[in-house]
Amino acid sequence: AQTVTQSQPEMSVQEAETVTLSCTYDTSESDYYLFWYKQPPSRQMILVIRQEAYKQQNATENRFSVNFQKAAKSFSLKISDSQLGDAAMYFCALHSGANSKLTFGKGITLSVRP
Amino acid sequence: EADIYQTPRYLVIGTGKKITLECSQTMGHDKMYWYQQDPGMELHLIHYSYGVNSTEKGDLSSESTVSRIRTEHFPLTLESARPSHTSQYLCASSEHPFMDPEAFFGQGTRLTVV
Repeated sequence: AQTVTQSQPEMSVQEAETVTLSCTYDTSESDYYLFWYKQPPSRQMILVIRQEAYKQQNATENRFSVNFQKAAKSFSLKISDSQLGDAAMYFCALHSGANSKLTFGKGITLSVRP
Repeated sequence: EADIYQTPRYLVIGTGKKITLECSQTMGHDKMYWYQQDPGMELHLIHYSYGVNSTEKGDLSSESTVSRIRTEHFPLTLESARPSHTSQYLCASSEHPFMDPEAFFGQGTRLTVV
């Protein structure tokens, strides 16, 4: 079985500041993928960033980067220079094993203060 | 822009009616999912499919049924809608897990049963 835990239901950040969203996971597989998805209010869920477990280097996508701690099974998302458009619900997700399902955490609602 | 489409976007229907929520993707993806999500809440996997003629129940028990007769099409049916079925339903697809488990989401169908 695989699990994803997001323990913070809500966070708030000042525009232009940096915020970190936490995620921990558990899997018995050695080969897996981790994702952060963004769901803006009433809009489509989109991928923010992904990380393959075999890669040591943390993934980055412009203002978004992850801190992947494999031994600790931790996968946090850092948003730099926060913008109003970053306000959304963010979901951490795990896919491990060829026949696995994509498992999501409970999500965190991020608000951005102007 | 992901090529996965859900219709209708919004549906208000009376109790006892039969409804089918449509989901189609043009990416040739093998794996497809249905999630149920109340506004601002976590996603619950209710059905998934590995390919044509393959369907599996997800983590959350659902009275809905699905079919996968064609690769691109994964409709969800409720034989007799009830107010407890009021929710948002999200469809997603991904390539075969050996290749890339990233999921692409449709825009969702918001169902209200009165």
